[in-house]
Amino acid sequence: EPEVTQTPSHQVTQMGQEVILRCVPISNHLYFYWYRQILGQKVEFLVSFYNNEISEKSEIFDDQFSVERPDGSNFTLKIRSTKLEDSAMYFCASVSRGYNEQFFGPGTRLTVL
Amino acid sequence: KQEVTQIPAALSVPEGENLVLNCSFTDSAIYNLQWFRQDPGKGLTSLLLIQSSQREQTSGRLNASLDKSSGRSTLYIAASQPGDSATYLCAVRNSGYSTLTFGKGTMLLVSP
Repeated sequence: EPEVTQTPSHQVTQMGQEVILRCVPISNHLYFYWYRQILGQKVEFLVSFYNNEISEKSEIFDDQFSVERPDGSNFTLKIRSTKLEDSAMYFCASVSRGYNEQFFGPGTRLTVL
Repeated sequence: KQEVTQIPAALSVPEGENLVLNCSFTDSAIYNLQWFRQDPGKGLTSLLLIQSSQREQTSGRLNASLDKSSGRSTLYIAASQPGDSATYLCAVRNSGYSTLTFGKGTMLLVSP
C-alpha cells in the first residue's frame, strides 16, 4: 500500500543551525502539507503546497521556514536558523485530487539544543 | 477560527468494553472530518473520513458519526482490545483541500 515517507526519523541540531526535513508523498498525490506537534500539544498546521507554490500558511510559518519540491518526488521543509521552540515532531501529509483524505508520514522528531 | 475539542482527555477501560470518544467543533461549516490514531512517538494513521453530507462511517469495530449542525462527532469502538490503546485525534477541514484543524486527542488505555 502506498505511504508517505519522511527522513530523517530523528534530527538533533544546535540552535541557529539550518535543518532540512524531507518527505516523499504518495506518488499520484498533488496537495502537500507540513504540520508540527510540540510534545503534549495539538497537531498544528504549518503550510500547504500545490502546483509548485504555497497555497496556505499559518502564523507559525514565518520567514525562517521555506518549502520546496525540488523534483517530482521529494517535498522539503527548511528551517533556516533553528530555535529551541522549534523542537517538535514534524509531519508531512499528502492528498490526491478528488479524494481529500490526508495521509500522514511517520514524522521527523526535531530536537534543537 | 475553527476550534476542535475532544472529551475525555484520557480514558481507561477494561478489555471488551464498548466506548465512545467525543469531538466537537465550533464552526459547523465543515467539508469533512477525519479520525486518526496516534501511537506514542509515532505518526498519524487515518481511521475514518466522514464527508459533510454523511452521517456515519464504519470500519471494522469502529463507527464514527457526524452531526454537523450541532458541531459534534463521536467515535464508537466496539469490544475494545489492548491493541486499541493509543491517542485518538479528531480533525476537521473547512474546505476542499484546506488544512486540517486538530483536537488535542483522547488518550485511550485498554487493560487486559
